Amino acid sequence: DQQVKQNSPSLSVQEGRISILNCDYTNSMFDYFLWYKKYPAEGPTFLISISSIKDKNEDGRFTVFLNKSAKHLSLHIVPSQPGDSAVYFCAGNTPLVFGKGTRLSVIA
Amino acid sequence: DVKVTQSSRYLVKRTGEKVFLECVQDMDHENMFWYRQDPGLGLRLIYFSYDVKMKEKGDIPEGYSVSREKKERFSLILESASTNQTSMYLCAIGTTGYQNYGYTFGSGTRLTVV
Repeated sequence: DQQVKQNSPSLSVQEGRISILNCDYTNSMFDYFLWYKKYPAEGPTFLISISSIKDKNEDGRFTVFLNKSAKHLSLHIVPSQPGDSAVYFCAGNTPLVFGKGTRLSVIA
Repeated sequence: DVKVTQSSRYLVKRTGEKVFLECVQDMDHENMFWYRQDPGLGLRLIYFSYDVKMKEKGDIPEGYSVSREKKERFSLILESASTNQTSMYLCAIGTTGYQNYGYTFGSGTRLTVV
């Protein structure tokens, strides 16, 4: 049973526009949600997190929104840059349970 | 900055071999994890450890074992490698406050079993 679901395997966005990556979860016991970014041949790097008691967390160009009633979270990247092209994983804790990832391509 | 070192970036082993993947951290953290990453399947937890000589099964422990004799080193063992264990293996540590700050991952070991 997949506890964390990322239903879009890939997403293409124009440079400068908004990227929205979505994630759904089934485990109501998660108390934190985290987003990771992964480039090929590298380990994932932590991007941003949100506590289950909050509905929004912002860090520079990255904002994560949490809708607990819908068991849904989303990562917004504004403005998108070519260097943002990577695979993005959503995860709930603990220990971290990851979704399958969404490959973001930002086109110049 | 915390450093997580995985001993090999690329490894090729034969079916049936016993394989050791090593992970070493430099900051005395208790929590260490092994994941594998496969296309279309994301990162899946194999084993984790919250202290020396302690281990817990993750979601896919079959065919694997682990060893944590010292705090800084967490080894993943493939008892008899099989082709379906060809994958990218990632070690991670949970630093203080990792619930909200996340794990630190190593660079990964890409294992090919032939």
